[in-house]
Amino acid sequence: EPEVTQTPSHQVTQMGQEVILRCVPISNHLYFYWYRQILGQKVEFLVSFYNNEISEKSEIFDDQFSVERPDGSNFTLKIRSTKLEDSAMYFCASTGSYNEQFFGPGTRLTVL
Amino acid sequence: SQELEQSPQSLIVQEGKNLTINCTSSKTLYGLYWYKQKYGEGLIFLMMLQKGGEEKSHEKITAKLDEKKQQSSLHITASQPSHAGIYLCGADISNDYKLSFGAGTTVTVRA
Repeated sequence: EPEVTQTPSHQVTQMGQEVILRCVPISNHLYFYWYRQILGQKVEFLVSFYNNEISEKSEIFDDQFSVERPDGSNFTLKIRSTKLEDSAMYFCASTGSYNEQFFGPGTRLTVL
Repeated sequence: SQELEQSPQSLIVQEGKNLTINCTSSKTLYGLYWYKQKYGEGLIFLMMLQKGGEEKSHEKITAKLDEKKQQSSLHITASQPSHAGIYLCGADISNDYKLSFGAGTTVTVRA
């Protein structure tokens, strides 16, 4: 069964460093998303991406964040200069023609 | 005020008993998604509802969306230990597939 995959599963970084989180959405899906979940809190929307551009972004998604679809399969989230408060679980998701939204297993980002 | 309220926050059920989780929106829902999450892990898609009055079932789990499209329930029949976890409802309230999530319901199944 097709699934969304994410790498790495866990990333530890120093404050101020850049990180890139990687996702491979389900192959025939056209809409892609990033969400995050701070420990013990709700899942929060960050950004949606369609047709090689950002469709919508939340207030959280400031200039430190960027997304890219560098090729036909990968979808990345870059955080330019990480802060302590960026520590969270980051989920990639994709939606296909039936509108069902599938999530990846997540990348746990720890900023020290 | 919260856009999406999920209740109860947690529940403990005896194995074999039924349980129901509710999700209420202050806005009309274009889509309501149910997921299951184990602590610290990813979200597993369960069901999606879009039409008022819609009901879907998969194995022992049934989800309904009310006619007004503002409230959904998830019902598990004859619960098993495998049903334990955190159940999340996610709502599309702006018709753009961007989901707003409830706080989750932690389900514990006692043998």
